Amino acid sequence: DTAVSQTPKYLVTQMGNDKSIKCEQNLGHDTMYWYKQDSKKFLKIMFSYNNKELIINETVPNRFSPKSPDKAHLNLHINSLELGDSAVYFCASSQGWGKDYEKLFFGSGTQLSVL
Amino acid sequence: QKEVEQDPGPLSVPEGAIVSLNCTYSNSAFQYFMWYRQYSRKGPELLMYTYSSGNKEDGRFTAQVDKSSKYISLFIRDSQPSDSATYLCAMSASGSRLTFGEGTQLTVNP
Repeated sequence: DTAVSQTPKYLVTQMGNDKSIKCEQNLGHDTMYWYKQDSKKFLKIMFSYNNKELIINETVPNRFSPKSPDKAHLNLHINSLELGDSAVYFCASSQGWGKDYEKLFFGSGTQLSVL
Repeated sequence: QKEVEQDPGPLSVPEGAIVSLNCTYSNSAFQYFMWYRQYSRKGPELLMYTYSSGNKEDGRFTAQVDKSSKYISLFIRDSQPSDSATYLCAMSASGSRLTFGEGTQLTVNP
């Protein structure tokens, strides 16, 4: 029973296209995140939602738009994809701010390749 | 200068060796220190969690935090091929987001 699941696992697309990545967690956590991991394995936070409310919005191009329909789901939509968007995108969840929020549970990642 | 510095390796050791992985940091407000392990093509998983200074042991793994030196370590005793992974340190101040190191790639050779 997967705790944090994201789809698709692989995404290959052309420059300029729009794509979405979906994430779901069944841990009952309040907080969800999107992280980007570049080719050097450096993990950088992009967004965080706590109970459907956006609480972290890093300096990310506004082509990236997260959406949380409920606290168990967090999707990421990317418009006008660029070559530099190629990376692995990880969804993660934690119990919530003030409740072991540092203990993150990650999905398996979405490998995005923009051609 | 990065807030968290971690040698990316790669580090290659024979099976049974003691492995030492380290991170240094510059933000004196950091209080929570973690090590995540990431296998190839998988998401990171929390391995060790420490609050403030001191040591924490879990089986073959020991995490150490020296806040005076702004230095954290992860020791792996009797390393196994199954320990081959990338190890990421992470830390945060109270109520703030995690900051990750860039990870150290470890290979344990049988």
